Amino acid sequence: NAGVTQTPKFQVLKTGQSMTLQCAQDMNHEYMSWYRQDPGMGLRLIHYSVGAGITDQGEVPNGYNVSRSTTEDFPLRLLSAAPSQTSVYFCASSYSRGLAGQETQYFGPGTRLLVL
Amino acid sequence: DAKTTQPNSMESNEEEPVHLPCNHSTISGTDYIHWYRQLPSQGPEYVIHGLTSNVNNRMASLAIAEDRKSSTLILHRATLRDAAVYYCILRGPISSGSARQLTFGSGTQLTVLP
Repeated sequence: NAGVTQTPKFQVLKTGQSMTLQCAQDMNHEYMSWYRQDPGMGLRLIHYSVGAGITDQGEVPNGYNVSRSTTEDFPLRLLSAAPSQTSVYFCASSYSRGLAGQETQYFGPGTRLLVL
Repeated sequence: DAKTTQPNSMESNEEEPVHLPCNHSTISGTDYIHWYRQLPSQGPEYVIHGLTSNVNNRMASLAIAEDRKSSTLILHRATLRDAAVYYCILRGPISSGSARQLTFGSGTQLTVLP
């Protein structure tokens, strides 16, 4: 299994440009999520999905859109990039093991985004 | 999820054991203790988790205090590749989609000296 993959690895955008960060997993996980990590800080949840066709907002959703048309893919869209969105973005996936609190998440390698 | 407290940084010599502490005095009876680590320029990686009993896997051991208010992640022989930020995270019962997120604190930066 490739696990969780993310593309691109690096991206430079100008303010106002749009782009899509891609995330895919081949583990048939129903839960997928996007986090951002700013320098010296922990990860913060942007959006998440509990299954195909179902998405919801996390802690810092403003400026980002998501969709989940398949189990495997969970793209993150920046409609109009701002310098405040300069960060490292991580995608994660997991499956419910049916036992509360035991769920573990698998993370992708990250996308480093610089907005000028 | 309840809060955890970890030292900001620790150092270890290569090939020696490392004990990374975590305090979680407000842990509830249904909270699992999870450890993740983040190597430089990589995504977080699951290490181990447990509820009450000590746990071992190929990466590490987890020692949980009898009162569950603290735990220790043990790397038996640290290598240079183990240099990372280690996060101790409590996971309670997952009742909704938003509850499945991981709440990362600042973690412990482990430096391994050759």
